[in-house]
Amino acid sequence: DAGITQSPRHKVTETGTPVTLRCHQTENHRYMYWYRQDPGHGLRLIHYSYGVKDTDKGEVSDGYSVSRSKTEDFLLTLESATSSQTSVYFCAISESSGWGARGTEAFFGQGTRLTVV
Amino acid sequence: TQLLEQSPQFLSIQEGENLTVYCNSSSVFSSLQWYRQEPGEGPVLLVTVVTGGEVKKLKRLTFQFGDARKDSSLHITAAQPGDTGLYLCAFNDYKLSFGAGTTVTVRA
Repeated sequence: DAGITQSPRHKVTETGTPVTLRCHQTENHRYMYWYRQDPGHGLRLIHYSYGVKDTDKGEVSDGYSVSRSKTEDFLLTLESATSSQTSVYFCAISESSGWGARGTEAFFGQGTRLTVV
Repeated sequence: TQLLEQSPQFLSIQEGENLTVYCNSSSVFSSLQWYRQEPGEGPVLLVTVVTGGEVKKLKRLTFQFGDARKDSSLHITAAQPGDTGLYLCAFNDYKLSFGAGTTVTVRA
């Protein structure tokens, strides 16, 4: 199994509070991704990183920020949590990305279930 | 709007029956990936199809990539309860993007 650890696995927080989710990998993969998964929507990309300090937005980035200060860690922050951000969050990694590239397959963490009340 | 359209959204069949799941797009891809996700777990890669017209087999699962590299299908022969899960297709073109998935339930 790919070495990906998400923490925490479960969290309940109150509306308006900041929340940070952590993704840690031991595979030295360049690309890291954060997704949220909600019924009927599959996996929607929030942000992704293509290297240390290199990040970009996904399709549902509003209300979220990310940071990657080390290859192995990718942090997702909800600056002020809202009930609409209640979801299951997944981190993924891949060795490479892009048209025709090899090693684009992704490996996922176990997920973090976040409830905003 | 999702670039990858999967159908059907839900599929419930009896053990032993066959099923097919589709992944369609108007875009051309260099490759497509298929994942399966079980409840409470992250998705796990099943296969990557790369060449137009390619057929790959994984035990009772057969994956096909369209000749024009715009679509793909997953066929399961003689489905078993262990095949139950969410099947997702995806492509990785700097942003790893997924279809909405097909939820497959195989009843014993």
